Amino acid sequence: QEQLVESGGDVVQPGSSLTLSCVGSGFTFSSSGMHWVRQAPGKGLEWVAIVWNDGINKYYADSVKGRFTISRDNSKNTIYLQMNSLRAEDTAVYYCATDDYFGSGSFPGFGIWGQGTMVTVSS
Amino acid sequence: DIQMTQSPSSLSASVGDRVTITCRASQSISRYLNWYQQKPGKAPKILIYAASGLQSGVPSRFSGSGSGTDFTLTISSLQPEDFATYYCQQSYSIPPYTFGQGTKLEIK
Repeated sequence: QEQLVESGGDVVQPGSSLTLSCVGSGFTFSSSGMHWVRQAPGKGLEWVAIVWNDGINKYYADSVKGRFTISRDNSKNTIYLQMNSLRAEDTAVYYCATDDYFGSGSFPGFGIWGQGTMVTVSS
Repeated sequence: DIQMTQSPSSLSASVGDRVTITCRASQSISRYLNWYQQKPGKAPKILIYAASGLQSGVPSRFSGSGSGTDFTLTISSLQPEDFATYYCQQSYSIPPYTFGQGTKLEIK
């Protein structure tokens, strides 16, 4: 059974740091690009970052560039999101998701999703 | 960046109704458009890929159409389990991977 499980969410103060983890199972983790997507309370979905399967290529949303770092350890089937200089507007449920290709492998999309982990930034 | 705009933002309908949700891209995205369903407290799941491709396991009452800038998601006969929030997402010019703001489908 394909599964992603996030952890690490917490209540933290503005300006602090936090690291989220996401462990995958039931699929070939090392072959999959991996995303972080977040959802502020009562709001829509916002893509945060992607790391390709090689762990080298990484891209970020402008809203987190320079503050967040995505990484992966394929030996542990795990991706991470290091979040620094946290702001109130970073408060959200953070989901990890696989970067899948649909329609004979031509159309990118978010395939497997985790259940999410909540990050609250508040003084 | 490509902006995605959904309409309506919310919609009330009854079981058995036919429902259509619209998504418009700020520039042409060919058929690189996905639709997701999200139920309260749950992660999203993909319903439609490439504008009209039905993801495995998704009921056939869901269908998608469109290309270029204008797309629609149609539910032919609403079932109780379909009341949820629906998001479109473009995968033509990435990153960033942009979503529409969502359409909340509620029971009338």
